[in-house]
Amino acid sequence: KNEVEQSPQNLTAQEGEFITINCSYSVGISALHWLQQHPGGGIVSLFMLSSGKKKHGRLIATINIQEKHSSLHITASHPRDSAVYICAAGGNGQNFVFGPGTRLSVLP
Amino acid sequence: DTEVTQTPKHLVMGMTNKKSLKCEQHMGHRAMYWYKQKAKKPPELMFVYSYEKLSINESVPSRFSPECPNSSLLNLHLHALQPEDSALYLCASSQEGQGETEAFFGQGTRLTVV
Repeated sequence: KNEVEQSPQNLTAQEGEFITINCSYSVGISALHWLQQHPGGGIVSLFMLSSGKKKHGRLIATINIQEKHSSLHITASHPRDSAVYICAAGGNGQNFVFGPGTRLSVLP
Repeated sequence: DTEVTQTPKHLVMGMTNKKSLKCEQHMGHRAMYWYKQKAKKPPELMFVYSYEKLSINESVPSRFSPECPNSSLLNLHLHALQPEDSALYLCASSQEGQGETEAFFGQGTRLTVV
């Protein structure tokens, strides 16, 4: 059974700071997903990664398949980035396995 | 259209009521999911439909009854719920199942059982 861990669990940053959230998983996967959940509840898919690196605006996601590790970076953080960030492992015959989430607060 | 639409957004129901949650997507996705999420916890998988057939039931109590009338619609029928069933219920869809393709989530239905 795949287990997904995230660190840190909670993160408070000042506006403009560079932020890194880490995710590790225990079993080989074919896709790693980064999701964002705002207090209202809806979840937005940010990235789906199977190798390398992806960038979208101020967000960058990387994955190291050999080390079973992924990171989500936010550059020039802004209060509107405050949300829960969830990584989820998928593929290889199993449905999404969610990490516990990282609660990010960006202060103005 | 890359949206998954869930209705209603909020629902309060008594323990003897029968109600239904609705989920709709028009992206041609063949896999649809129901998740239950309690406060400050990650979503927990309840059901997966693949090509309109129930493929996974994660030992969910029978008071929750899913239905997939067609490839765009997914319902969750609720009957005789308990207060501990109060949670955010999320629907999602993806082109294929098993986390191999990007998943799109709805805004959720926040359910309160009184």
